[in-house]
This record gives sequence, C-alpha cells and structure tokens, in this order.
Amino acid sequence: QKEVEQNSGPLSVPEGAIASLNCTYSDRGSQSFFWYRQYSGKSPELIMFIYSNGDKEDGRFTAQLNKASQYVSLLIRDSQPSDSATYLCASGAGVSGNTPLVFGKGTRLSVIA
Amino acid sequence: DVKVTQSSRYLVKRTGEKVFLECVQDMDHENMFWYRQDPGLGLRLIYFSYDVKMKEKGDIPEGYSVSREKKERFSLILESASTNQTSMYLCASSPILHGNMGGYTFGSGTRLTVV
Repeated sequence: QKEVEQNSGPLSVPEGAIASLNCTYSDRGSQSFFWYRQYSGKSPELIMFIYSNGDKEDGRFTAQLNKASQYVSLLIRDSQPSDSATYLCASGAGVSGNTPLVFGKGTRLSVIA
Repeated sequence: DVKVTQSSRYLVKRTGEKVFLECVQDMDHENMFWYRQDPGLGLRLIYFSYDVKMKEKGDIPEGYSVSREKKERFSLILESASTNQTSMYLCASSPILHGNMGGYTFGSGTRLTVV
C-alpha cells in the first residue's frame, strides 16, 4: 500500500517566522511531488511541485526533496496569518500518466499574528 | 483562467434518491477524478478516468458509478443515496506530463447532505 505520511498538526508559528511542513512517502519509485494548500471549506490549490532532489523556490515557498530519505518538505518564509490552512502533500508514482497521485491527510498550519 | 467546474456547491438529497454530480474541465486534460473528503479521513479516491469512456475504480467505489462520454465531462452517480454518503465531493483533472501524472486542478467542491 503506497502511503504518504504527514503530521496532522496543528503546527503553530508566529507571524514572520519560517513554517516547516514535512512529508514522507513509502513508494521509492515516486518521481513527482506536489504541495497543495486548502483553506477551510475550500478545495485544494496547487502551490508547488518538485521532481528533482534539492530545493525549488517560488516566492516565499521552498520545496525540498530528498529521494534517498523519501522525504519532502515545504518551507514558508515570513509566514502570514493568510497562510493559515491545511497543507496536503502528494506523490506521483512515475509508472505512467494514468496512476493517481497518493495524498497525505494534511498538516494544519496556524500562523499567529 | 483554466477551470474545473462542478455543477452544484451545495446539495441536499433524500435517502434512496439517485444523485448526479457533474464536473466539466476546460483544460483538455486526459485524466479526471472524483474524491470525497471527510474530516480526519483525508481525500479518498472514488473513481478516475484517463480517457473518454474509460473508468477505473479507486479506493471506495461502492455505491457509486461514473460516466465519461466526452473528454471534458466526468459525472459521478450515487445510485441510491445513503446518509453515509454525506460528504464534500471534489472533482479534479490533470494532464499527462512527460509520461507522468501532472498536478491536479480541483473544482470548488459539492457539499452533499443526504437526509
């Protein structure tokens, strides 16, 4: 059973701090990784994706991938109260374009003003 | 702006009714999905489709069926609605990129209540 594990939280950080969200995955063949943000009562929104080992930066967001450790993380710099949401991590099998992503259950982030 | 559109935001149905949830995407994506999301259980895949008239069962297909007659439209059918199907239903679509599943674009969701 392919799994993606996330700490459910809540993770509380003060405004302006760095929030670090972590995710591990069980399928060593996974090739692509996605981070979604979901506000309460809304649908998930894709914010980052990463395919290669190392870091990928986009504005205040940095995704980090370590395939040897089967570990993905999302860093949010200068956290804002508007970043308060649930963050879902997902992995893609890399077997074919027809295999659904595997989602974690999400980590709830709370940014305290 | 690319979109996945779900026909209803809120829906209330009676036990035993046949329920149709419609989803349309305008991005020419090959793959389409139906999930339900319940507190503490995360996203659970009901059915998906990777081509017109093709469908694959997900993790929880019981009590549901789907139809994909056109590439842009994927319908979820609750054959006989039951109270345990009260949930948020999310449709998503994704492209195939370099042979792999691309990131999903989700619709805004349908909150279904079965009474």
